[in-house]
Amino acid sequence: AQSVAQPEDQVNVAEGNPLTVKCTYSVSGNPYLFWYVQYPNRGLQFLLKYITGDNLVKGSYGFEAEFNKSQTSFHLKKPSALVSDSALYFCAVRDSGYGQNFVFGPGTRLSVLP
Amino acid sequence: ETGVTQSPTHLIKTRGQQVTLRCSSQSGHNTVSWYQQALGQGPQFIFQYYREEENGRGNFPPRFSGLQFPNYSSELNVNALELDDSALYLCASSTGTGVRSRRADTQYFGPGTRLTVL
Repeated sequence: AQSVAQPEDQVNVAEGNPLTVKCTYSVSGNPYLFWYVQYPNRGLQFLLKYITGDNLVKGSYGFEAEFNKSQTSFHLKKPSALVSDSALYFCAVRDSGYGQNFVFGPGTRLSVLP
Repeated sequence: ETGVTQSPTHLIKTRGQQVTLRCSSQSGHNTVSWYQQALGQGPQFIFQYYREEENGRGNFPPRFSGLQFPNYSSELNVNALELDDSALYLCASSTGTGVRSRRADTQYFGPGTRLTVL
């Protein structure tokens, strides 16, 4: 069975500082990994995904994520946080061997302080 | 913004009633997935439709049912509503090739329907 853990409910960072939102996963096969962001009263917006190849994936709004197979992690990063990055972030995994349904983590609330 | 739309935006029902939620997929997408997002939690997969056929189902009872139409829009129906059904219901569309797909197609989400069951 697939599963995703986001070990931090809340991450606080000062504007201009680098940010990291952590994600670890478990799948039986090769993973497809995704990050989404959710603003209040809105749906989920796609940020980036890892399928195969380069372990560092670049996405929207200056975000990037690093895939680490040995640690089964896919942490989201940004070199310089903006106040407008404050939102709820979800990591999701899909097993490459079955269907298309995603398993989402519980989410991490990011607060960027001015 | 994605091209996925959902209606209605908000809905209030009482326990035991039935509800229908609607989703229009993004142009060019043939697959629709439905998710339930309870307050403070991540989205939970309900089911997926590919070319009008159910293509996978999560751990939800049969009173959760769906349809996909020839234009790839979709409906989620919930019968005999319970208080715990109160949640944000999200629709996501994607391209796909069915249950044995090994592609990593991105799912694009609509804004959701907020259902409150009293």
